[in-house]
Amino acid sequence: DIQMTQSPSSVSASVGDRVTITCRASQGLSSWLAWFQQKPGKAPKLLIYGASSLQSGVPSRFSGSESGTYFTLTISSLQPEDFATYYCQQAKSFPWTFGQGTKVEIK
Amino acid sequence: EVQLVESGGGLVQPGGSLRLSCEASGFTFSSYWMSWVRQAPEMGLEWVANIKQDGSEINYLDSVKGRFTISRDNSKKSLYLQMNSLRAEDTALYYCAITTMATGTFDYWGQGTLVTVSS
Repeated sequence: DIQMTQSPSSVSASVGDRVTITCRASQGLSSWLAWFQQKPGKAPKLLIYGASSLQSGVPSRFSGSESGTYFTLTISSLQPEDFATYYCQQAKSFPWTFGQGTKVEIK
Repeated sequence: EVQLVESGGGLVQPGGSLRLSCEASGFTFSSYWMSWVRQAPEMGLEWVANIKQDGSEINYLDSVKGRFTISRDNSKKSLYLQMNSLRAEDTALYYCAITTMATGTFDYWGQGTLVTVSS
């Protein structure tokens, strides 16, 4: 199985801050990587697919990048509605697996 | 508007069975792969199973293989998960999700149904 290691597990930030979350895959994913946002009591929402493609309707302050087995989700200017938990997910091979999540909290 | 409504969760004893359902509306159900994804309380996400549009291809998480069966009825726009031999570690909120295999993504999720396995 492909292991996804996400860091940090939590981050405290202020509105307007730039936030970066990293996911490391245990093997190459060939861009088969997605990012999700989950707010308390709600279902996850797809933000990024193909490592760097923005899902329709998602604000452009969200972006994704890839370097080898390292993947990054960046929020360029944190907004109040962005406080949530973020997950990466690989779809290179079954079983599809998720990172353990990064909670973005208000500083 | 896309809607996925899960049902069928509840409290069941270890070794018991449950059948989850997911009723879809607002999109062409028969055109999409569908998946079940679960989330244990205060934990992360875990993909469970998925099924092709016509049911001809199915994939399972190893830990549920032989115990869980995913199926669909396109005429009823419904997805199912038959869960047998349930274990405490199956306790979770179970989501159904529209799946796009071309991108390997869960494009839209329902709100989930809670399964609790406990004596």
